[in-house]
Amino acid sequence: AQSVTQLGSHVSVSEGALVLLRCNYSSSVPPYLFWYVQYPNQGLQLLLKYTTGATLVKGINGFEAEFKKSETSFHLTKPSAHMSDAAEYFCAVIPSGSARQLTFGSGTQLTVLP
Amino acid sequence: DAGVIQSPRHEVTEMGQEVTLRCKPISGHNSLFWYRQTMMRGLELLIYFNNNVPIDDSGMPEDRFSAKMPNASFSTLKIQPSEPRDSAVYFCASRRSARAGELFFGEGSRLTVL
Repeated sequence: AQSVTQLGSHVSVSEGALVLLRCNYSSSVPPYLFWYVQYPNQGLQLLLKYTTGATLVKGINGFEAEFKKSETSFHLTKPSAHMSDAAEYFCAVIPSGSARQLTFGSGTQLTVLP
Repeated sequence: DAGVIQSPRHEVTEMGQEVTLRCKPISGHNSLFWYRQTMMRGLELLIYFNNNVPIDDSGMPEDRFSAKMPNASFSTLKIQPSEPRDSAVYFCASRRSARAGELFFGEGSRLTVL
């Protein structure tokens, strides 16, 4: 069975600082990996995804993530945080080639300090 | 292009009352999902439909919960009778079947059962 672990339920960074949100997965088959963002009082929105091909994927709002098979990780980064990045971020996994559905991590709340 | 539309956005009801949550998926999307989000349990998949047919309802908490999708543009989630522990935000999401993991979420229905 696949699972997702997000290290750190709360992360705080200063505006302009690097954002690093950690995600590790377990999957018995090569996974598809996703990051979603949830702004207050809204639904989740897809930030980026990895399915096959290039392991560094770029998403919206300047975010990117790198699939590292050897580390079973898919960490989310952004070089310079903006106040508008404050939100909750969810990592999710689905085994590739499977009809099974997304498994979400428990989420990381990102706070951006002025 | 309209996104996933949910109603009501907020519902406050008393224990024992029937609650009906509604969802209109994005046109052309043939998979629909109902999720529940709470602080304690995070995001939980309740049920999903493919081409209006329920595929997996193993996440439905108990018989008090039921979901229907009478046509491609409408789904309901019903709780009868409601209990205080059902208080949560309920999200509907849709996607094209071929786009595994790429969900489009509605803004959610916040349910409070007193």
